[in-house]
Amino acid sequence: AQTVTQSQPEMSVQEAETVTLSCTYDTSESDYYLFWYKQPPSRQMILVIRQEAYKQQNATENRFSVNFQKAAKSFSLKISDSQLGDAAMYFCAYSPYNNNDMRFGAGTRLTVKP
Amino acid sequence: GAVVSQHPSWVICKSGTSVKIECRSLDFQATTMFWYRQFPKQSLMLMATSNEGSKATYEQGVEKDKFLINHASLTLSTLTVTSAHPEDSSFYICSARDQSGGAVETQYFGPGTRLLVL
Repeated sequence: AQTVTQSQPEMSVQEAETVTLSCTYDTSESDYYLFWYKQPPSRQMILVIRQEAYKQQNATENRFSVNFQKAAKSFSLKISDSQLGDAAMYFCAYSPYNNNDMRFGAGTRLTVKP
Repeated sequence: GAVVSQHPSWVICKSGTSVKIECRSLDFQATTMFWYRQFPKQSLMLMATSNEGSKATYEQGVEKDKFLINHASLTLSTLTVTSAHPEDSSFYICSARDQSGGAVETQYFGPGTRLLVL
């Protein structure tokens, strides 16, 4: 079974600074997808960034980027120039290729200090 | 990104009644939709996978007779909590998979439904 581990229950960052959220996963598959979702207080799940495992290049979306280390099964999220609106729960998720299963980590609560 | 709606957003019901929650993909067709349950301060737990035109696939420990799922069209899936009890009170979230144009296997989530059973 695939598992996703987020070892940081809570993180804090100063506004305009950079923060990195950790995620590791366990799988025997070679093709899969990885995602970071954001859940603000409204509880709406919002896709932040996604990575296809066969791509070596790290995905980037504006201030959000990932460090994907396939051999280490690590998928961390870096938020640059943190903004107050970035405060939320962040969930790392794994989905096998051509499969319905998406598994979520326990989440990291990010606080942004003004 | 793709938009998924859920209705209702809030429901309060008496114990023993049934509650239906709708999940719609608004700007894409979804052959597969998913139902999750989220307890306070916890992660999302997959309950079942809803497949258009066929029976849903339930995760281990989820009672299929209690949580009825119907996926009658490419844009609508419904979850019915039958004979609801207070322990069924939770936040239910649906998602739909957008595979149009060879898109990456991405699930787009609805805004969730908060169920309170008295």
